[in-house]
Order: sequence, then structure tokens, then C-alpha cells
Amino acid sequence: GAGVSQSPSNKVTEKGKDVELRCDPISGHTALYWYRQSLGQGLEFLIYFQGNSAPDKSGLPSDRFSAERTGGSVSTLTIQRTQQEDSAVYLCASSLDNWNTEAFFGQGTRLTVV
Amino acid sequence: AQSVAQPEDQVNVAEGNPLTVKCTYSVSGNPYLFWYVQYPNRGLQFLLKYITGDNLVKGSYGFEAEFNKSQTSFHLKKPSALVSDSALYFCAVRPNYQLIWGAGTKLIIKP
Repeated sequence: GAGVSQSPSNKVTEKGKDVELRCDPISGHTALYWYRQSLGQGLEFLIYFQGNSAPDKSGLPSDRFSAERTGGSVSTLTIQRTQQEDSAVYLCASSLDNWNTEAFFGQGTRLTVV
Repeated sequence: AQSVAQPEDQVNVAEGNPLTVKCTYSVSGNPYLFWYVQYPNRGLQFLLKYITGDNLVKGSYGFEAEFNKSQTSFHLKKPSALVSDSALYFCAVRPNYQLIWGAGTKLIIKP
């Protein structure tokens, strides 16, 4: 596709359930980021993938959060045993691996834990 | 610790007036600098970036930003604000693969 695609756009889940959020980056972009944004707030870094290198997981808030990137393309962010404080918009971004290039963002997945 | 500061949570400007959204940073080396805009219920959109060269960078929607190395600032500007410019603006700095983000500034343009 032309841009970064995220699915679902909205997800309502019950507390304690697991959820999977998907991100399709722009073709050819080797760098992929996941962020979390609470309503009207700033971006909280979660995880970074770059090519075949080990991901930077330093932003994951707990061991309930994990992410994979298969074949250097599609990424899945999984949240296990969701809690109400997990409610937020989860944003995915991709970029080329040159540090002077901008990142392109998807529209986000709005997660609501009830 | 490396950081980006957007000292104003909110900026209010009358339509037609010039606007400035401030950004200062504290990172090592010579980072690349970016501005993004987020409209309500939308993802972030790239506005402009500074890589090297002219300190005044022009971007989308008539926005520009001025890089000041001595003050480590990268303020976003527009000569004449439009109501449609109302949105959340983020400054980001990239010293390496990581993007370091400011907290965002809500820009409100009043008719």
C-alpha cells in the first residue's frame, strides 16, 4: 500500500483478554516503531525494529506487552491480560534506515479495555 | 538524558496573525530535527525537517521552522494562521535511530 496500515482501527476488549494489533509498514521501510498515545497526550515509545537486528524493547511497559516483526515487514503488537490502563491509541510508524528520513505513521488503533 | 521540550502546552492565535510553536532540545551531536502535526482522531503527519544547510526550512501547509544551533532550538512558524491549522504539533529530534519526541503543543486558531 501507499502508506502505513494499521488494523483494527478500533478495538474494544474486556479486561483480562489478549489483543493483537497489526501494522503493515510502507514497502521497503526497514525501520518500524510502535508508540502509545493517551488521549491528547504525547507519544510513548514502545519498541523499535530495524531490519534483522535485535529489536529495542526498552519502552515496553510490562511483560504483558510483546511484539514481533515477521519477514522484516508486518508487525504485530500483542497485549496479554489487558488492563484498563492499557486503553490508548497505539501508533505504528515506519521509515527508511537513514536517520535523516522522516517516519510515516499509520492512523492508529484505538484500544478500549472495559 | 536526551530530551525535547515544547514549553507551551497550548498556543492561542487569532486567524491571520503569525504563529510560533517553540521547541528546544538537549541531545548529543548534530541531530536531525522534525515537526509533525496531528489533527483530531488522525495519525501524525510529517510537516518538515532540518538536515543541514539553510537554517530556515520550509514545509507543508505554509509552515516553516528556524533552526538555531547555539540555542538548540527549532521553532515552528507560519506568517498567517488559518483556523484549519488548529491541531496538535509535535517536535522530534533524531540523534540516531531513535526519535525523541516533545510532549506536543495544542495550537488553537480563533476566527
